[in-house]
Amino acid sequence: DAGVIQSPRHEVTEMGQEVTLRCKPISGHNSLFWYRQTMMRGLELLIYFNNNVPIDDSGMPEDRFSAKMPNASFSTLKIQPSEPRDSAVYFCASSDWPLETQYFGPGTRLLVL
Amino acid sequence: RKEVEQDPGPFNVPEGATVAFNCTYSNSASQSFFWYRQDCRKEPKLLMSVYSSGNEDGRFTAQLNRASQYISLLIRDSKLSDSATYLCVVISTGTASKLTFGTGTRLQVTL
Repeated sequence: DAGVIQSPRHEVTEMGQEVTLRCKPISGHNSLFWYRQTMMRGLELLIYFNNNVPIDDSGMPEDRFSAKMPNASFSTLKIQPSEPRDSAVYFCASSDWPLETQYFGPGTRLLVL
Repeated sequence: RKEVEQDPGPFNVPEGATVAFNCTYSNSASQSFFWYRQDCRKEPKLLMSVYSSGNEDGRFTAQLNRASQYISLLIRDSKLSDSATYLCVVISTGTASKLTFGTGTRLQVTL
């Protein structure tokens, strides 16, 4: 099993640019989660999908953030325009069901200059 | 008050020591609880679920105290390899499940 796959692993961009993070969940998992982790705020849930449908997006910081899950094997998190305060590690995780064990991807380290 | 709170530490303990962490939660409707472990610059990984009756996995024991709204993790006979950040996760159910991670407690086991 390949586990949760995220790309890119590292991203450095300039303020104002669009950033797209990608995630491939574990095959067969029904739920997908996007998290952001910083030293100051810890691990924050941004949004989660169940069967490709967004269930809770209350953690999405603002309109600059958007997430999609067009099919069961792919999701994107987009930031447009990016700002320096968006610099963080973004994790994607998947599970059989929202209340079950989550398997995290390796994360994308984003630096916005 | 934060929904889920943990002492950030660090907890510095010698090898072989017993150490315990608590995680308090504010939502009395919380239903499911987990402990995750996160190594430096790595992703979180499930350590163990926390059941109402408590559960044990080798040197690790997790307990739930619903009356006082906290969960605990006890590590016996600490190893150097236990050095990591331990995150608690609290899930409440309702119209939509709400999942909240604590900010983590850092443990450093030394020789």
